[in-house]
Amino acid sequence: GENVEQHPSTLSVQEGDSAVIKCTYSDSASNYFPWYKQELGKRPQLIIDIRSNVGEKKDQRIAVTLNKTAKHFSLHITETQPEDSAVYFCAASTQAGKSTFGDGTTLTVKP
Amino acid sequence: GAVVSQHPSWVICKSGTSVKIECRSLDFQATTMFWYRQFPKQSLMLMATSNEGSKATYEQGVEKDKFLINHASLTLSTLTVTSAHPEDSSFYICSANPRTGKNIQYFGAGTRLSVL
Repeated sequence: GENVEQHPSTLSVQEGDSAVIKCTYSDSASNYFPWYKQELGKRPQLIIDIRSNVGEKKDQRIAVTLNKTAKHFSLHITETQPEDSAVYFCAASTQAGKSTFGDGTTLTVKP
Repeated sequence: GAVVSQHPSWVICKSGTSVKIECRSLDFQATTMFWYRQFPKQSLMLMATSNEGSKATYEQGVEKDKFLINHASLTLSTLTVTSAHPEDSSFYICSANPRTGKNIQYFGAGTRLSVL
């Protein structure tokens, strides 16, 4: 089955700095790679996603890159703000919709 | 946007009892829904794939007789935790895919189960 590894497990940055979270996956059949932000006790919230036919996607301060050959993808958050503090999960999904999640990254943005 | 409703949001039960959790897609049809379990400070672990009109597909290590899944319609899937024990205490989250073929998942708000 699919295996998704996510690093780092914790990340602390100063407000205004950039944050980068990286994930690798194992199943070449995975073709959809969403990133979720989850606050304590809440549902995961989709913040950005990328499909396997695209190398990069950007939405304001958030960007995702995908290297399909190397099977890794990354989340980039620029100009971080304290409200960006949360747990972030990457996931790899097949066409059938079945998703495998990474272990999560706890991001802390210090004011 | 697509909305998935999950109930109850929080339940406390005695050990040995059963608990039913509902997951409804409110404004779209979902042939497939997914059930996840999340322990504190851990990731979402897929328990099973719920298929409308057929049996659920369980992930390895998940007891199908303990976690009963029924997907009776295109908008409703239920998860019943049977004979619950304290170790079943967790955050259970469902998700659903609209029938668009784009495999985007919409999550329910989750159910926090505490078994005494």
